[in-house]
Amino acid sequence: AAGVIQSPRHLIKEKRETATLKCYPIPRHDTVYWYQQGPGQDPQFLISFYEKMQSDKGSIPDRFSAQQFSDYHSELNMSSLELGDSALYFCASSRTRGSYGYTFGSGTRLTVV
Amino acid sequence: DAKTTQPNSMESNEEEPVHLPCNHSTISGTDYIHWYRQLPSQGPEYVIHGLTSNVNNRMASLAIAEDRKSSTLILHRATLRDAAVYYCILRGGGATNKLIFGTGTLLAVQP
Repeated sequence: AAGVIQSPRHLIKEKRETATLKCYPIPRHDTVYWYQQGPGQDPQFLISFYEKMQSDKGSIPDRFSAQQFSDYHSELNMSSLELGDSALYFCASSRTRGSYGYTFGSGTRLTVV
Repeated sequence: DAKTTQPNSMESNEEEPVHLPCNHSTISGTDYIHWYRQLPSQGPEYVIHGLTSNVNNRMASLAIAEDRKSSTLILHRATLRDAAVYYCILRGGGATNKLIFGTGTLLAVQP
């Protein structure tokens, strides 16, 4: 079965550069969530989208922005990167009608040097 | 968001059952109880979820207390591949509610 696809798997950027992470949800899933997981930490919710509209916002820095496109894929844009942004970034998708679990992608490991 | 409390770590032997407890005394009537697990450097993996009744699937069973203030994830026969961090999460009844991860239980499985 198709899973949540994230790209790239690994990304190395220098401080003050920008990065774009992509997420392709499972077909017919209408909600996408972004999470950040620092070293040794639990996943922290950043932002979510339902039917291409932002539905909820967590502890996402102002330097970060995200959107969901007409094909339901989502992108997380990160500017003015800092060393502390180095983390695993996960995307998850779910279907809102009915009661379902959430499917996570394998993540993008961002390293800021 | 309602919170959950889990032991920091647990240990099990291979091929034995494992019972992972979770307390959620402030659960509301519309909160679903979700369980996910995460292996190192991998994305969280859905295990099981339920509302009021006990649930079974191919991975595990979920036993929910009658007052819903606690639940137990049951792995019937632990394998080495079950070694992971297990998260018990309450998901609100709203359709688009995010999952808020707390500090899960690190399960070690001994051969």
